[in-house]
Amino acid sequence: GQNIDQPTEMTATEGAIVQINCTYQTSGFNGLFWYQQHAGEAPTFLSYNVLDGLEEKGRFSSFLSRSKGYSYLLLKELQMKDSASYLCAVRDQAGTALIFGKGTTLSVSS
Amino acid sequence: ETGVTQTPRHLVMGMTNKKSLKCEQHLGHNAMYWYKQSAKKPLELMFVYSLEERVENNSVPSRFSPECPNSSHLFLHLHTLQPEDSALYLCASSHGYNEQFFGPGTRLTVL
Repeated sequence: GQNIDQPTEMTATEGAIVQINCTYQTSGFNGLFWYQQHAGEAPTFLSYNVLDGLEEKGRFSSFLSRSKGYSYLLLKELQMKDSASYLCAVRDQAGTALIFGKGTTLSVSS
Repeated sequence: ETGVTQTPRHLVMGMTNKKSLKCEQHLGHNAMYWYKQSAKKPLELMFVYSLEERVENNSVPSRFSPECPNSSHLFLHLHTLQPEDSALYLCASSHGYNEQFFGPGTRLTVL
């Protein structure tokens, strides 16, 4: 079966660093995506990993370990506007479908 | 218009109505998707079109009927829906199967 697990909620303070974990068990793997979704808005693409290792993009980094079925999204120098839901998604073997986790709601306070 | 647009943004319909959701992408992409997003549940893929051909139909009830007349437009025709179909319906597009760009969604309420 297909299963993607993320924590439901996380809280952090402005300026801090937060790591959002994602573990997956899928019948195939062809890449992992992270999306950000603010309340009432569309998901927006943050990062993509298909090989093991760390991908850095400004304040956001994403890590993948295919052997462990594990990824994390690292957010540095948190800002209030980073309060949102963060969605982990795995692309299946055929490459046509994204399988999403339930998302992690991050609340950043001052 | 830029990106992915969806109309209407909000829709309230009775169980006997027939309505359609429209999606348009202005990104030159060749794949389009319909997703359903319900509270406390993951985004669920409904349909995938690649080069205007349906390549995935994720066991969606026949009361949802997609149509892709060209690579820029995608419709979701709705008829005899149930209250549990109330959700946010998101359209997305991509170039090949690269990162997907989402529209703002249609908030559907079935009475």
